[in-house]
Order: sequence, then structure tokens, then C-alpha cells
Amino acid sequence: KNQVEQSPQSLIILEGKNCTLQCNYTVSPFSNLRWYKQDTGRGPVSLTIMTFSENTKSNGRYTATLDADTKQSSLHITASQLSDSASYICVVSDRGSTLGRLYFGRGTQLTVWP
Amino acid sequence: EADIYQTPRYLVIGTGKKITLECSQTMGHDKMYWYQQDPGMELHLIHYSYGVNSTEKGDLSSESTVSRIRTEHFPLTLESARPSHTSQYLCASSEKGTDTQYFGPGTRLTVL
Repeated sequence: KNQVEQSPQSLIILEGKNCTLQCNYTVSPFSNLRWYKQDTGRGPVSLTIMTFSENTKSNGRYTATLDADTKQSSLHITASQLSDSASYICVVSDRGSTLGRLYFGRGTQLTVWP
Repeated sequence: EADIYQTPRYLVIGTGKKITLECSQTMGHDKMYWYQQDPGMELHLIHYSYGVNSTEKGDLSSESTVSRIRTEHFPLTLESARPSHTSQYLCASSEKGTDTQYFGPGTRLTVL
């Protein structure tokens, strides 16, 4: 069964600190993996996208890694800011589907305190 | 910021009412999607469309219906709302040949 599991479910950190969010997936055949940021009451916004051959991708203070062999990804946030408070969702695409089927994790709810 | 819009953003209605959630995009995308998301849970695909006059049901069974008469417009209708329909509904679109989906801001529906 194609699944995406994220951990931790929630995380509280102090402003300025770093953190790492985890994503494990069983989706096959794999096409790509995205990390989305979803602010409360808003739609998800893409942060990074990685294909099978990529093992790291950065977007400002966000750095995503991918290990396609172990089917694991992480999102590292450096020097956190209050505006980083949001849900971070791992999304894996199945290349076997003409629809471009996406499998969503439940997200990690990150809270950054001043 | 993606050019995809949803209205209303918030809706509180009584049981039995008919409602339509609007979604429109100005990017000319062929594919459009409706997702349902409960707090702390993953997004579930309830409807999608490959293009005009194409509509399909998604993975999660839903009593809602959709239509795609124009490329830019993909409304979702509930004929008779019930408290179990209370949820956030997210619309998304993507270009033909890619699976990058752009999401609207969502509609938070509460049925009393």
C-alpha cells in the first residue's frame, strides 16, 4: 500500500534554532518527492521538489534531502523564524499514474516561539 | 503565488442546504482537483478533471459533485449538506504533462 509517514507529528522550537522533519514513504514506482508548507487556513505551497537522482535541494533556509534507497526524506530548517510556524507536508508522486497521483503525509505541525 | 482562487473562504450553513464551492484558475491548466482535509490529517482526493467535460471521482468517497464546463472553473456542489461534510476543501490545478499542483487557499465549511 502506498503510504507517506511523517514524524514528529508536532514540534515546538525557539526562534533562531534549527530543526529537522522526517518523511518515510512506500510509494512505488517513485517519481518525485515534494515538501509543502501550509499556513493555518491556507492552501499548501511547494518548498522543494526532488527526483530519484537528486539527494539534496535547498530553498533559502530550507534544505531537503532524499535517500531513494531507504525511501526517506528530511526537511531541515535553519535559523527558524516566527513565520516558519506552519504544517510541513511531505508529498510523494507516483510515476505509474497518468493522473500524476500524489500521496500526502499528515504533516508536521511546527510552532516557533519567540 | 499561484493564480487559483476559491470562494467563499469560510461558510457556515445549516443541515439540508445546497451549497456550491467555487474554484477558478487563470493559468490555463488542464487538470484540476478537489481535496478534503480534516485538522491534522492528510489531504484526500475527492474529485479531479483532465479538462473540459471531464470529471472523475477520487480516492475518498464523497457525496459532492463537480462540473467542468470551462477550463478555468471547477465548482463543487453539495445538494444537501450534513454535519459530516464539515471540513476544509482545497482546490488545485496542474499543467498537462506535469504533476506539480498549485493549491487555492481553501474553503472552511461548517455544517450545523
